[in-house]
Formats: sequence, structure tokens, C-alpha cells
Amino acid sequence: DGGITQSPKYLFRKEGQNVTLSCEQNLNHDAMYWYRQDPGQGLRLIYYSQIVNDFQKGDIAEGYSVSREKKESFPLTVTSAQKNPTAFYLCASSRTSGRFETQYFGPGTRLLVL
Amino acid sequence: EDKVVQSPLSLVVHEGDTVTLNCSYEVTNFRSLLWYKQEKKAPTFLFMLTSSGIEKKSGRLSSILDKKELFSILNITATQTGDSAIYLCVLNTGTASKLTFGTGTRLQVTL
Repeated sequence: DGGITQSPKYLFRKEGQNVTLSCEQNLNHDAMYWYRQDPGQGLRLIYYSQIVNDFQKGDIAEGYSVSREKKESFPLTVTSAQKNPTAFYLCASSRTSGRFETQYFGPGTRLLVL
Repeated sequence: EDKVVQSPLSLVVHEGDTVTLNCSYEVTNFRSLLWYKQEKKAPTFLFMLTSSGIEKKSGRLSSILDKKELFSILNITATQTGDSAIYLCVLNTGTASKLTFGTGTRLQVTL
């Protein structure tokens, strides 16, 4: 089945620890995105990648890092510099980053700080 | 700054009711407006609207855009408990990366 998978479903982070969230898609999409969802707020863009080996910061990139070494994979690392990491993280992809492309979302990872 | 405001924030209806969800926006460079349904996890795509006055329909759901008055509505007729979800209104103001999300309307359909 084609789709986007994220793992793990839940992730616990200790203070000062870096953690990595996985996002994989087999839709052959060029563009991939990471969002953060907090209660009472709309989704906010962390990073996005329009093509392999390229990525750009979104609106709230501080404390996060990404890589895009393969078309199907776009892992997000939440570093210790991110002071308030508790949130629901959603990965998305689109065929291209063009104007009328639709983004398709993965099931999300909930990150909690211990 | 681009902005999306959804109303109501939450809504409880009985199965079989018809509901209208509202989305108003402010934008400098409109490309399209999208509706997503978010149940427990991943938002799923419902509609993309680019032109005023043209209704998009999918089963019991329909949506329309008014670019002059800067709003969109999402209608759900004969609601079912499976319609319970958060409905997100999203503005595309450029490439696919330039999305502005509303906070959503939480719909609960009871028996």
C-alpha cells in the first residue's frame, strides 16, 4: 500500500537528549514536510524539502534539524536546544512543491518530555 | 500576515443533523484553500478550492469558496458519528510549502 509512515507513535525524551523521528513515504513524492501541532494552534511548519539533498527552514526551525539523503525518507531530529518539544509531530509529502499540490499526512508521532 | 480563522471552535450535533463549518481568511497572495479532516491522527484531504462560487462535493460533504468576501464553508448533511473529527481549513499562499493552517473546528456527532 502506498502511504506515509511515521515512527515511533509515542516518544519520550529526557532533558538534554536528542531524539529522531522517522518519516518514510513510498508515494514517489519529491517534497516532504514536518509540522508541529500544539493544542489550540494550527499546524506550524518546521522544515521542508523540495527535493533530495535539499531542505529549507520553516516558521519554527530553531531546535530542530533534518536530512534528506533519500527521496523516501525525511527524519527530524529534536535537539536539546528545543526548549518546549512536547507536541504532536506530523510529517507530510506532496508530489512536488508546486502551487496546487496536495499534501498527504502521516499518522504522527507524539513526543513527551520526561 | 496571512491568517485563517475557523468557527465555531467546537460543535456538538445529533446524528442526522446538517452542519456548516466556517473559515474566513486574510491573505496577501491567494493560491487555494483546502479542507482536511483530522480524526485521531493524520489529517486527510477533503477538498481544494481555487475559484469562487464553484461547489465541490463528495458524498455528504460539500464546500464552496467566496474570494470576494474571503471565506469558505464546509457543509456536512445527514451527519454520522464517523464524521466526528477536527476539520482544518488551510490556506495555500504560494508553493505547497506555504500553507497557513486554521486551528480547526472540533465536531462531535452524538447518537
